[in-house]
Amino acid sequence: ETGVTQSPTHLIKTRGQQVTLRCSSQSGHNTVSWYQQALGQGPQFIFQYYREEENGRGNFPPRFSGLQFPNYSSELNVNALELDDSALYLCASSRASGAYNEQFFGPGTRLTVL
Amino acid sequence: RKEVEQDPGPFNVPEGATVAFNCTYSNSASQSFFWYRQDCRKEPKLLMSVYSSGNEDGRFTAQLNRASQYISLLIRDSKLSDSATYLCVVNPGGGTSYGKLTFGQGTILTVHP
Repeated sequence: ETGVTQSPTHLIKTRGQQVTLRCSSQSGHNTVSWYQQALGQGPQFIFQYYREEENGRGNFPPRFSGLQFPNYSSELNVNALELDDSALYLCASSRASGAYNEQFFGPGTRLTVL
Repeated sequence: RKEVEQDPGPFNVPEGATVAFNCTYSNSASQSFFWYRQDCRKEPKLLMSVYSSGNEDGRFTAQLNRASQYISLLIRDSKLSDSATYLCVVNPGGGTSYGKLTFGQGTILTVHP
């Protein structure tokens, strides 16, 4: 196991609702990245947080937002949920934000939007 | 054009077979390259990093050709436990992209007895 935890494991929401997903990074890691994985696809980068600041963002609308806390845990918030937001949401932590730092993934939160 | 392209398969091979996966990437300035493995309904896990000189880890060999922007993974003597989705991953690096892992669609491998 990687030591990265995510909660909740599963979540069912309806269109228009808001959701908050949580991630605890591995001990010693100060960087958290979030990914969305739709069924049958590879994960897509949402954004990364390094030392509590957003440090890069993928092609996702502003209704996807995040936070990182002083203990380096992180939240992903999604407002105005759409059906296409149904996916596995993965967070990954790493020692730093550089290109060569291995990212360790948590088990994911499976979100279903009805 | 997708940033990272893989043949989605599926590949169905018998135990003991050798199987090769290929991947191409579009950003010539990409800095680091990986193969991840993802079991059904689980998180991706790093299988190996890929270096220009090529690298081997037991039955697994990875190659990178920067000139052709091409990455490969070779699995020898396939085991039933190798059945999984193999994800080709590129980190473009630079600027605000340092942490961005770009994943291919994944190639499904099934090893049968």
